[in-house]
Amino acid sequence: DQQVKQNSPSLSVQEGRISILNCDYTNSMFDYFLWYKKYPAEGPTFLISISSIKDKNEDGRFTVFLNKSAKHLSLHIVPSQPGDSAVYFCAATDYSGNTPLVFGKGTRLSVIA
Amino acid sequence: DGGITQSPKYLFRKEGQNVTLSCEQNLNHDAMYWYRQDPGQGLRLIYYSQIVNDFQKGDIAEGYSVSREKKESFPLTVTSAQKNPTAFYLCASSVGIWDRGYEQYFGPGTRLTVT
Repeated sequence: DQQVKQNSPSLSVQEGRISILNCDYTNSMFDYFLWYKKYPAEGPTFLISISSIKDKNEDGRFTVFLNKSAKHLSLHIVPSQPGDSAVYFCAATDYSGNTPLVFGKGTRLSVIA
Repeated sequence: DGGITQSPKYLFRKEGQNVTLSCEQNLNHDAMYWYRQDPGQGLRLIYYSQIVNDFQKGDIAEGYSVSREKKESFPLTVTSAQKNPTAFYLCASSVGIWDRGYEQYFGPGTRLTVT
């Protein structure tokens, strides 16, 4: 049973436009969410996170939005650049301190020049 | 430079052989993790360790074993009991599961091919 779902396996966006990557979760205990970016044959790198006390967190071109009632979060990349082409993983955990991160299956973003 | 090292980058083994993947970190992190990535499957947790000499099974622990004798080291053994061992293996660490160290830092990965 997938607790973190990324329903779009892939996404293509024109350079300069907005990329929106979506993530849904089912476990209501989750209250901290992270996005990771992964290039082929490399380990994921942390991108941005958000706790459940916020509904938005921004870092440069990257913004994560959290809708707790819908159990949904999204990552916005504006403007998209070719170097953003990678697989993006959504991950979630809870503040109990005993649960490792639960990852989604990832969305492959392709930014077309 | 602080970080996580995994060696080797590529590993080839014959079916029926056990193989151990190395993971070392110099970040002084308490928690360490092993994941497996297959195409279209995302990251699946194999084992994790919150502290030295303690570890827990993740979602797909069957056919794998680990040890945590030192804080900086968390080797993973892929045994002959693992039915489909060919995959990309990722090691990660975090400050501590208990300390709000939710952000995990990943190594570069080891691609294991078993024929």
